[in-house]
Amino acid sequence: QVQLQESGPGLVKPSQTLSLTCTVSGGSISSGSYYWSWIRQPAGKGLEWIGRIYTSGSTNYNPSLKSRVTISVDTSKNQFSLKLSSVTAADTAVYYCARDILTGPSFYMDVWGKGTTVTVSS
Amino acid sequence: DIQMTQSPSTLSASVGDRVTITCRASQSISSWLAWYQQKPGKAPKLLIYKASSLESGVPSRFSGSGSGTEFTLTISSLQPDDFATYYCQQYNSYSLTFGGGTKVEIK
Repeated sequence: QVQLQESGPGLVKPSQTLSLTCTVSGGSISSGSYYWSWIRQPAGKGLEWIGRIYTSGSTNYNPSLKSRVTISVDTSKNQFSLKLSSVTAADTAVYYCARDILTGPSFYMDVWGKGTTVTVSS
Repeated sequence: DIQMTQSPSTLSASVGDRVTITCRASQSISSWLAWYQQKPGKAPKLLIYKASSLESGVPSRFSGSGSGTEFTLTISSLQPDDFATYYCQQYNSYSLTFGGGTKVEIK
């Protein structure tokens, strides 16, 4: 049973870069045709997809965040990571990593991490 | 981006009730729609994909229908464990978008 676990600083200062890592356990990040996504959720609000990566390094990003987002993968560590630059208070949220299933034109998420809360504050 | 609109935003119901949640897409997404359930402090859980396919392990009281721009999630007989927030998500385009959520509350 594949499990995902997010990790990283819970507090980031404004204008700095938010960095999170998702560790995949119970299976290889490189097995199958899975992609791997980041999603976030501000407190009391809805879900926003941030971007995804394949183990080849191919990425897709949400157009609204594309200029600030970088997602990378380290297959040797069974991990993928998120960097979000120039953060503001609006980036305060619970950040989830998830496994993407490709079907038809795009993806849905079938396995999610538990989420990690990131607060942007000085 | 494809906009997803859910209604109602909040729904009050009793155990045993039949509950229906609607999700509308701003353009046709064929059947490329998923539904998730989220409980407070927890990650979303996949319930349904491709509009009507039940994810393994999900109770059969959950069902989905629709195509094009209008979709529904139905809970045939609401159980205590079903009080949660439900989200739809389109995957007709590489840039995924979610509906705003429907909170199912105890009446």
